[in-house]
Amino acid sequence: DSGVTQTPKHLITATGQRVTLRCSPRSGDLSVYWYQQSLDQGLQFLIQYYNGEERAKGNILERFSAQQFPDLHSELNLSSLELGDSALYFCASSPGSGGLYTQYFGPGTRLTVL
Amino acid sequence: AQKITQTQPGMFVQEKEAVTLDCTYDTSDQSYGLFWYKQPSSGEMIFLIYQGSYDEQNATEGRYSLNFQKARKSANLVISASQLGDSAMYFCAMREAGDSGGGADGLTFGKGTHLIIQP
Repeated sequence: DSGVTQTPKHLITATGQRVTLRCSPRSGDLSVYWYQQSLDQGLQFLIQYYNGEERAKGNILERFSAQQFPDLHSELNLSSLELGDSALYFCASSPGSGGLYTQYFGPGTRLTVL
Repeated sequence: AQKITQTQPGMFVQEKEAVTLDCTYDTSDQSYGLFWYKQPSSGEMIFLIYQGSYDEQNATEGRYSLNFQKARKSANLVISASQLGDSAMYFCAMREAGDSGGGADGLTFGKGTHLIIQP
């Protein structure tokens, strides 16, 4: 158990809908990262937040957004969903923001868009 | 350009043998971190081992060691005395510190190696 929690574990929805994925980092960690894992794209970095502020952006679509709240939990919002958004979405956390901290991953949320 | 290359899509290894999973990387940063993660069929990503670019010693964590060859930009994972529970996908990943001007970013992953341990 990494100490990172993600809810829900599974999510099934329809095209065009909007969903919210939730993540709670390990106790004491200030950075939260979101990743998408799909069969065709592999594991891709989406976005990082550090202590409530956006710190780095990867291959995140404009239809996707995220935020980190004062209690440090984070939410990833996916809107106007398409079939291709079906994937495993991971949240990870680390104590700091820099490149050399180990990121610990949550169990993931498996999103299926029908 | 691909920053992390794992050339072995799949490997079969006999139980109790040692196994080496290959990883090469590409970066112009002087400061970076290299990571290995294990993903069993259940789906979670489990951190195994870390090597910093300035670390002079190869990292070790129990049965896992990282064979770091900086000049060759290689960071191979070695698993000693493999066990049936080692069967999983293994991902090599890098995070650059951003000192070459690109800025720090998330982890960049390779495509992974599917390791199967046979009894």
